[in-house]
This record gives sequence, C-alpha cells and structure tokens, in this order.
Amino acid sequence: GENVEQHPSTLSVQEGDSAVIKCTYSDSASNYFPWYKQELGKGPQLIIDIRSNVGEKKDQRIAVTLNKTAKHFSLHITETQPEDSAVYFCAASKGYSTLTFGKGTMLLVSP
Amino acid sequence: DAGVIQSPRHEVTEMGQEVTLRCKPISGHNSLFWYRQTMMRGLELLIYFNNNVPIDDSGMPEDRFSAKMPNASFSTLKIQPSEPRDSAVYFCASTSSGNTIYFGEGSWLTVV
Repeated sequence: GENVEQHPSTLSVQEGDSAVIKCTYSDSASNYFPWYKQELGKGPQLIIDIRSNVGEKKDQRIAVTLNKTAKHFSLHITETQPEDSAVYFCAASKGYSTLTFGKGTMLLVSP
Repeated sequence: DAGVIQSPRHEVTEMGQEVTLRCKPISGHNSLFWYRQTMMRGLELLIYFNNNVPIDDSGMPEDRFSAKMPNASFSTLKIQPSEPRDSAVYFCASTSSGNTIYFGEGSWLTVV
C-alpha cells in the first residue's frame, strides 16, 4: 500500500518568515495530494490540494508543488503569522478516497 | 452547514467496558471514513463506507472493533471490550464522490 513520509516533524519560524514542509510517497499511481491543518482540539481541515496533472498551485500565502517523477510534494507558507501555528498533514491517494497521511509537522510561528 | 457531527466529544471509560462512538456525516455525502489518531501512529484509516456499504475495513485493529452504517446519516464505531491501548482520538469524515473529505471534531477516548 501507499506510504507517506513527512519532514520535518517540528518547525519553528519567526513571524514573517517562510515555512516549507516536504512529503514523499511510494505509490506512483497516487494522483491526489491534499494538505490538512489541524488546530489543537479540532479535526483536520483541508487548506490546499493538488492533482497529479498540475505541478504547482497557489492560494494567497500558501502554495503546493508536486514532482511526480521524484514522488515528492511540498507545502510552502510565506509571510507566516502566529495563527499559522498548528499541525500540518500531507496525504496521498488514488482518487479522493482512502487517504494515507504523513505523520504531521508541528509548525510554531513566534511573534 | 453543520459539518460532520461526532459524539461523544470526550469519553473516559474503564478497561473492559463497551464504547460506542457516533457520527452524522454531512447531508448528501455518500462516503464515510473512520480514522484513529495517536501520537505514535498518526492518522490511521480504520474503515470506510460507500453508500452505506463497508468497502475497506483492513485498518480495523482486531475483532474488538466493529463499525456500522445503518443509513446514510448515521454511523457507529464500537469497541468491545475496550483496552487502555485503544485510547486515542477517533475521527469521522465524509465526502461526496470526487470532492474534499471533511473531518469532524473527533471523539477523545481514554480507557483507564
């Protein structure tokens, strides 16, 4: 089955800096790659996703890149703010069901 | 929108007791997922239903775990008997075909 590795496990940045989280996946048939943000005491919420026919996608301060050849994808957050502090999960799947998640990255943005 | 609704939000129970977690998916969604989250193992898919039918239950840890979806608006995850190692946050999620998967707020289970 699919295996998703996520790095780093923790990331501390200063407000205004950029943050990058990287994931690799094992199943070359995977074609859907969402990113979820989980705040303390809440369920994961989708923040951005990308499909295998696209190399990059942006939504304001958030961008995701995908390299299908290397089987890795990354989340980029620019101009970080304290409210970006949370745990971020990458995931991969064939289609939209049965997501396989990475272990998560705890992002701490210091004022 | 009400979102995915889970109950109870928090449950503390003694080892050996039966635990039932409940989920109401978003109206109109035809797929429902149960995930378990722990520090050690992260988010693990336990089971998923499509049109109320269990499609993949390979993630269910053992026979002590069972899940049902009697209709499109309700699902349960039952643990009987519960053990301390079952302590985790259990998430229910739902989606309509080809769209975003939405998670509930989770049920925090502690087995003592």
